[in-house]
Amino acid sequence: SQQGEEDPQALSIQEGENATMNCSYKTSINNLQWYRQNSGRGLVHLILIRSNEREKHSGRLRVTLDTSKKSSSLLITASRAADTASYFCATSNQGGKLIFGQGTELSVKP
Amino acid sequence: DAGVIQSPRHEVTEMGQEVTLRCKPISGHDYLFWYRQTMMRGLELLIYFNNNVPIDDSGMPEDRFSAKMPNASFSTLKIQPSEPRDSAVYFCASSPGQGFGKLFFGSGTQLSVL
Repeated sequence: SQQGEEDPQALSIQEGENATMNCSYKTSINNLQWYRQNSGRGLVHLILIRSNEREKHSGRLRVTLDTSKKSSSLLITASRAADTASYFCATSNQGGKLIFGQGTELSVKP
Repeated sequence: DAGVIQSPRHEVTEMGQEVTLRCKPISGHDYLFWYRQTMMRGLELLIYFNNNVPIDDSGMPEDRFSAKMPNASFSTLKIQPSEPRDSAVYFCASSPGQGFGKLFFGSGTQLSVL
């Protein structure tokens, strides 16, 4: 079964708006990662946050992690049409496997 | 750096045929992963290797699936015999270090079994 579950499944916004995607997981983790997948392509790593971190930034991306709630969020600020893609969270636990959620499909309309 | 290279990009075959998917990881990466992606089940980890040794193959669906890594620069995923339910996109990914950090994915092989 999947470790992470993203919410919402699909999100449609206008260019310039912010996009927020959430991820919930079930067991304790070592780290949580976010990936982007453009249609027909492989996944591209965006950001990694460790279990002892609460927030991390990378350019227009902001990731938060709440281990007490077993949840994370990815915020994309000032979205662009090029941000249109599927976004996946992935968790790594003591067993070492990196398990992916089902993803959020983001559509940014120009 | 050429990234993770997978071949073929697309594969169409008939049920019962043998299918071999290939992967060249990024040079210097110690970990190699095979994932399968479908609409119904999302991304599933099939197997991963560390220094060419299979570490966890618990995600391999059944005995029809096998994976090898004869050297640090090449891995194969074989399905024999193939079935229509094996149709999916198969991704190979590699990682440079322990602790399951950042994965680098190939472009995938789109497999269609008719």
